[in-house]
Amino acid sequence: EAQVTQNPRYLITVTGKKLTVTCSQNMNHEYMSWYRQDPGLGLRQIYYSMNVEVTDKGDVPEGYKVSRKEKRNFPLILESPSPNQTSLYFCASGFLSGAYTDTQYFGPGTRLTVL
Amino acid sequence: DAKTTQPPSMDCAEGRAANLPCNHSTISGNEYVYWYRQIHSQGPQYIIHGLKNNETNEMASLIITEDRKSSTLILPHATLRDTAVYYCIATFGNEKLTFGTGTRLTIIP
Repeated sequence: EAQVTQNPRYLITVTGKKLTVTCSQNMNHEYMSWYRQDPGLGLRQIYYSMNVEVTDKGDVPEGYKVSRKEKRNFPLILESPSPNQTSLYFCASGFLSGAYTDTQYFGPGTRLTVL
Repeated sequence: DAKTTQPPSMDCAEGRAANLPCNHSTISGNEYVYWYRQIHSQGPQYIIHGLKNNETNEMASLIITEDRKSSTLILPHATLRDTAVYYCIATFGNEKLTFGTGTRLTIIP
């Protein structure tokens, strides 16, 4: 089944404890992206990647890191989480048509709470 | 991406057609209109997209006005499972999708 998977789905952690949220897709998509969703603010992009070893900042990259060593995986790293990073996180992937992304497919979400 | 405007909420009776409007008066000639929906707190789900012509798939129909300044998403026979937040996005297909606050559609039994 074609899908985007995220792990963990739920995570409660404490300030400053490094964590990684994994994202994997099995559709051979070039493009992958991370979003966070907060009440009243819609989805905001954190980082995106147009291909292996190619990543770029979105609207709200502060406090996050990403890597794209393999086409299928795009982990989101919080080196020192803070309470303002408590949010619902979504990973997405899609094909590229030339320089543009096509339809994006979203993972199920990771609900992160930082105490 | 062009700015889009949607009503914050709508109700529709189960079994009836749900018509969700979207205004994108500043859309440029090569920007597509995309619709996604988000059921509760699940990941957004692609519904349909179009450029100029009306489009239909197994989920919905998309009607785009001739001047392309507005569009309507039509769910022909709404069910309770269609209760969700619906997002209209006008984009080239950029690397970033800008989701606004969308329309919260509630299907009434």
